Amino acid sequence: GQNIDQPTEMTATEGAIVQINCTYQTSGFNGLFWYQQHAGEAPTFLSYNVLDGLEEKGRFSSFLSRSKGYSYLLLKELQMKDSASYLCAVRDSNYQLIWGAGTKLIIKP
Amino acid sequence: ETGVTQTPRHLVMGMTNKKSLKCEQHLGHNAMYWYKQSAKKPLELMFVYNFKEQTENNSVPSRFSPECPNSSHLFLHLHTLQPEDSALYLCASSQERGGADTQYFGPGTRLTVL
Repeated sequence: GQNIDQPTEMTATEGAIVQINCTYQTSGFNGLFWYQQHAGEAPTFLSYNVLDGLEEKGRFSSFLSRSKGYSYLLLKELQMKDSASYLCAVRDSNYQLIWGAGTKLIIKP
Repeated sequence: ETGVTQTPRHLVMGMTNKKSLKCEQHLGHNAMYWYKQSAKKPLELMFVYNFKEQTENNSVPSRFSPECPNSSHLFLHLHTLQPEDSALYLCASSQERGGADTQYFGPGTRLTVL
């Protein structure tokens, strides 16, 4: 079966750096997405990786290793507003998105 | 503002009621999706429409009935629901089904079935 694993919850301190991991086993691979979802709001697109390596976008970076079935989202200079759930999703060979259950990130002052 | 709106934002209904959820996208996309989001579970894809044609129905019970009158509007008609159907129902759109396009989500309807 297809599976996406990510930690259920993480806690970090304002101003620090946090890395949220995602591992996947899917039928084929056509890209990996990270979304941010604040409580009661829509998931919003953060990043897309289809080739190995690091994609940097401001304070957020996303890394992909296709051979290891692994990705991480790196958040730097954490702010209180970064408290949210972070969803990892992989597009499989049928171009269907397979979703992880999300990682709830709690930022403490 | 993501360009995808959903109404109502909150809905409480009894098991014998009939209600409808509405989604509208202002992004010029051709594909629209219904997802169910339950606490601590992955998003569950329910239905997909591409150019107004239903392309996927992921074994969703018949008490959920989708309707897509045009590429900008999507409805989910609900009848005789069960308490376990209580969840956040998210609508999304993308340029078209398949390809490397990104899905954009609405804020969801929080549904409670009593």
